[in-house]
Amino acid sequence: EAGVAQSPRYKIIEKRQSVAFWCNPISGHATLYWYQQILGQGPKLLIQFQNNGVVDDSQLPKDRFSAERLKGVDSTLKIQPAKLEDSAVYLCASSPARTQIGNSPLHFGNGTRLTVT
Amino acid sequence: DAKTTQPTSMDCAEGRAANLPCNHSTISGNEYVYWYRQIHSQGPQYIIHGLKNNETNEMASLIITEDRKSSTLILPHATLRDTAVYYCIVRGNYGNNRLAFGKGNQVVVIP
Repeated sequence: EAGVAQSPRYKIIEKRQSVAFWCNPISGHATLYWYQQILGQGPKLLIQFQNNGVVDDSQLPKDRFSAERLKGVDSTLKIQPAKLEDSAVYLCASSPARTQIGNSPLHFGNGTRLTVT
Repeated sequence: DAKTTQPTSMDCAEGRAANLPCNHSTISGNEYVYWYRQIHSQGPQYIIHGLKNNETNEMASLIITEDRKSSTLILPHATLRDTAVYYCIVRGNYGNNRLAFGKGNQVVVIP
């Protein structure tokens, strides 16, 4: 089966600019996640969708970050305006679970590496 | 969020079994133990997970102690391609089912 697809692979922007990342999860997967991974740290959850509804966005900096999942499939994550500390890898993951979510592994894409200058 | 303790780093010999320890002394009854690894410039890769019983798949074996306070991931025959950061994660099944990563264990397989 095809894995989680993310684009672009790399992005360089100046601070205060806007940027968007795209994710196509594994076909049929109900749950979609966005993670942020700063260099030298483990990934940190930003937002979790169940179908096209938000389940957990408690760690999303909502003043500048937004995300949506259209029709319960693809998702986009946007940063507006970007700050230097947003430099990180943004990872998308999906899992098939609709119930017993904790028993369903996440499958990750290879991420988008964002550099803010 | 991280509720596990792992070594910061360890070396393993190529061709030998690699035993990666993890402590999770505050784990509760409905929480799973998950293992992921991350090779440089790639996303985390799922390895295995378990609740109470030992588990085995094509990649590894997971041994969970009877009191569930610790576990060991076993890579049966380590290869150079197993060099990665390995994450041991405790994850709830209901309510807070967040997959929360810590800093992981940098494992280097040595020829």
